[in-house]
Amino acid sequence: EDQVTQSPEALRLQEGESSSLNCSYTVSGLRGLFWYRQDPGKGPEFLFTLYSAGEEKEKERLKATLTKKESFLHITAPKPEDSATYLCAVLGSNDYKLSFGAGTTVTVRA
Amino acid sequence: ETGVTQSPTHLIKTRGQQVTLRCSSQSGHNTVSWYQQALGQGPQFIFQYYREEENGRGNFPPRFSGLQFPNYSSELNVNALELDDSALYLCASSFGTRPHEQYFGPGTRLTVT
Repeated sequence: EDQVTQSPEALRLQEGESSSLNCSYTVSGLRGLFWYRQDPGKGPEFLFTLYSAGEEKEKERLKATLTKKESFLHITAPKPEDSATYLCAVLGSNDYKLSFGAGTTVTVRA
Repeated sequence: ETGVTQSPTHLIKTRGQQVTLRCSSQSGHNTVSWYQQALGQGPQFIFQYYREEENGRGNFPPRFSGLQFPNYSSELNVNALELDDSALYLCASSFGTRPHEQYFGPGTRLTVT
């Protein structure tokens, strides 16, 4: 069974204080690793897909990287509007089911 | 382009009752997946529908069932509601059976009392 573990559970940052979120995974035949952002009471918003080790993707202050066992989401100079829960999910060889981690809740104080 | 929509937004039901949740997929998408998200947890896969057929199912009992219609909209039905069924129910649409990018709706918050 595919497993995804995210750390830390919660992260409190000062505006401008860069940090990284970790997503460790165990999957049989990784087809893709996904990052989503979720605001309270809302559905997850798609951010990135990574397919192979060494791949990197960027969007505004966010940068996602992938190794063979984990992915990192780097937040550079965060702003209060970056406050959200960030979810990581993997797609394994079963080819249809996303397996999610529990998320990291990021709070950025002005 | 129309995004994924879900109805209703919120719902309160009593234990033992039945509920139907609805989802309209994003324009151009033919696959719908349903997830259950308990408070403080990541979404858990319930099942997926592709071209009106169930394409895969997670570890949920048979009282969770679904339908997909020719316009690719979908319903999630839950019978004999239990207190633990209280959660945010999310619908995600994608193209094809390999969901490289799934787009989620806003969810339906179900409370069972």
